Amino acid sequence: EAGVAQSPRYKIIEKRQSVAFWCNPISGHATLYWYQQILGQGPKLLIQFQNNGVVDDSQLPKDRFSAERLKGVDSTLKIQPAKLEDSAVYLCASSPLRGRTDGYTFGSGTRLTVV
Amino acid sequence: GDSVTQMEGPVTLSEEAFLTINCTYTATGYPSLFWYVQYPGEGLQLLLKATKADDKGSNKGFEATYRKETTSFHLEKGSVQVSDSAVYFCALGTQGAQKLVFGQGTRLTINP
Repeated sequence: EAGVAQSPRYKIIEKRQSVAFWCNPISGHATLYWYQQILGQGPKLLIQFQNNGVVDDSQLPKDRFSAERLKGVDSTLKIQPAKLEDSAVYLCASSPLRGRTDGYTFGSGTRLTVV
Repeated sequence: GDSVTQMEGPVTLSEEAFLTINCTYTATGYPSLFWYVQYPGEGLQLLLKATKADDKGSNKGFEATYRKETTSFHLEKGSVQVSDSAVYFCALGTQGAQKLVFGQGTRLTINP
């Protein structure tokens, strides 16, 4: 089966600009996650969707970050305006079963550099 | 809250050496425990997992045992290879919230 697709692979922007990342999960996977991985740290959950509804966005900086999964399939994560500390790899993951963390599949990520 | 603490890196070993990467956790309830690996330029891959106390996860010669009494899940391999060079992440899967909480990662370099 095809894996979790993410684009773009790399992005460089200036601070205060906006940026968007796209994720297409594995077909049929109901749960989709966005993680932020800052250099030298482990990934941190930003937001979790179940179909097109938000399950957990407690660690999403909502003043600048937004995410949507309108049709319960692919998802977009947006940052507006970007700050230097947003430089990180943004990972998308999907899982077929609610409540099953061992079913995760991660995408290759988008590396964002804010200058 | 739930958290994972990993042995700090980087770790550099010679080929065929014995590997241990320590991992301890703090969690409410009964989490599942995982080791993920990230090879250069690639995404996170599940290496092994254990879902309850005393379970042993194993894959590609790596092993880890879920120790509830010491809240640990140390990763071991008896003889490492150059191809094992990567960043290793210990993680727990929270009950209820179904999310993964990661440690900070340990960079492993194996020299021939």
